[in-house]
Amino acid sequence: NAGVTQTPKFRVLKTGQSMTLLCAQDMNHEYMYWYRQDPGMGLRLIHYSVGEGTTAKGEVPDGYNVSRLKKQNFLLGLESAAPSQTSVYFCASTEIPETQYFGPGTRLLVL
Amino acid sequence: GENVEQHPSTLSVQEGDSAVIKCTYSDSASNYFPWYKQELGKRPQLIIDIRSNVGEKKDQRIAVTLNKTAKHFSLHITETQPEDSAVYFCAATLGRRLTGGGNKLTFGTGTQLKVEL
Repeated sequence: NAGVTQTPKFRVLKTGQSMTLLCAQDMNHEYMYWYRQDPGMGLRLIHYSVGEGTTAKGEVPDGYNVSRLKKQNFLLGLESAAPSQTSVYFCASTEIPETQYFGPGTRLLVL
Repeated sequence: GENVEQHPSTLSVQEGDSAVIKCTYSDSASNYFPWYKQELGKRPQLIIDIRSNVGEKKDQRIAVTLNKTAKHFSLHITETQPEDSAVYFCAATLGRRLTGGGNKLTFGTGTQLKVEL
């Protein structure tokens, strides 16, 4: 039982490049979330999913897209990376109620 | 909009002393309040949580208190140890659910706790 895993762990992109971050969970959770963490700002919700095939916007969705084709996977895409997207990205999953389990994070640097 | 304020941003205590971190929230319908501990370079991990129908909850050296009237909740760590050094985040759920279900956690900005020998 690996819990929540994320790949890659670290990535450097040039402005304008694209990439996909993968989140996988083996707890059969319905709900999955993508957050970004920036210094002094806590964790902010980018997008979330309430089940396979569903996605919805969080509080900072601009510049990101997501897909949940399989229940266990939640993908976060950056179509054209910008320096403002330099951050640490955390995925989380949960079953009702609200307790969220976080993945180990992906550190992204956009030059 | 919904907001969670957390104080202090940094806290330094001597080993064995107590540490208290406070959070206030704006949504009176919030009903779930978790606390996360994040060590340097690691993921946030849930250490304790409380629901709105309970005023206090304790787990060994950690306790959380909730004052619904004043809309604030606090984390108390007693007999602090060096391994308690980390960033602590409070969070609160919205009173209403996210579109399609699920719950949104609004996080505080974190408290860097340093336990000195």
